[in-house]
Amino acid sequence: QQQVKQSPQSLIVQKGGISIINCAYENTAFDYFPWYQQFPGKGPALLIAIRPDVSEKKEGRFTISFNKSAKQFSLHIMDSQPGDSATYFCAASKGSNYQLIWGAGTKLIIKP
Amino acid sequence: EAGVVQSPRYKIIEKKQPVAFWCNPISGHNTLYWYRQNLGQGPELLIRYENEEAVDDSQLPKDRFSAERLKGVDSTLKIQPAELGDSAVYLCASSSRQVGNTIYFGEGSWLTVV
Repeated sequence: QQQVKQSPQSLIVQKGGISIINCAYENTAFDYFPWYQQFPGKGPALLIAIRPDVSEKKEGRFTISFNKSAKQFSLHIMDSQPGDSATYFCAASKGSNYQLIWGAGTKLIIKP
Repeated sequence: EAGVVQSPRYKIIEKKQPVAFWCNPISGHNTLYWYRQNLGQGPELLIRYENEEAVDDSQLPKDRFSAERLKGVDSTLKIQPAELGDSAVYLCASSSRQVGNTIYFGEGSWLTVV
């Protein structure tokens, strides 16, 4: 019940296209859903996060869509650029418990 | 503002040798984390500190791993003796309730055990 399942494992998108990464969770107590971006040789960096009281959050080209009833959330990257090539991790946590439960990661490659 | 600083960035040691990693969190962040990340996987929490108290060390292999956060600021993570399976990236991170609990990661310490 603590798992966060992320798909796909890898994704190749043409420059200018839309990249979509999906995550599903089981624990309905989770109330914080961040996405982290990790470049090779670097630590993960928070990209965008959402709480379950909203269904969508947009920051620039990055959008989280959240479906509470389906227990799913996804990251959309609009107008994908080669600089977006990285590994993306979804995660979830509950309340003041800062133990993030991480997805397995998606390696995104944007082809010029 | 300086981010989370870790050292060393890279370390190669022979199995059975000890190794230590150091972390300086973002100034004012009372929560500090040590994670381990294996290649192609997400980070795995080893230990979490609230100030100088280890509040969650359930995933820390206590037979060979130890950590301390004296004075509630810097922290060290030690492995003794190291095993081949300990090869991974050891990530330090910090957060603060006062700034939304966002977890900020350092660049990691890359350990190779040969």
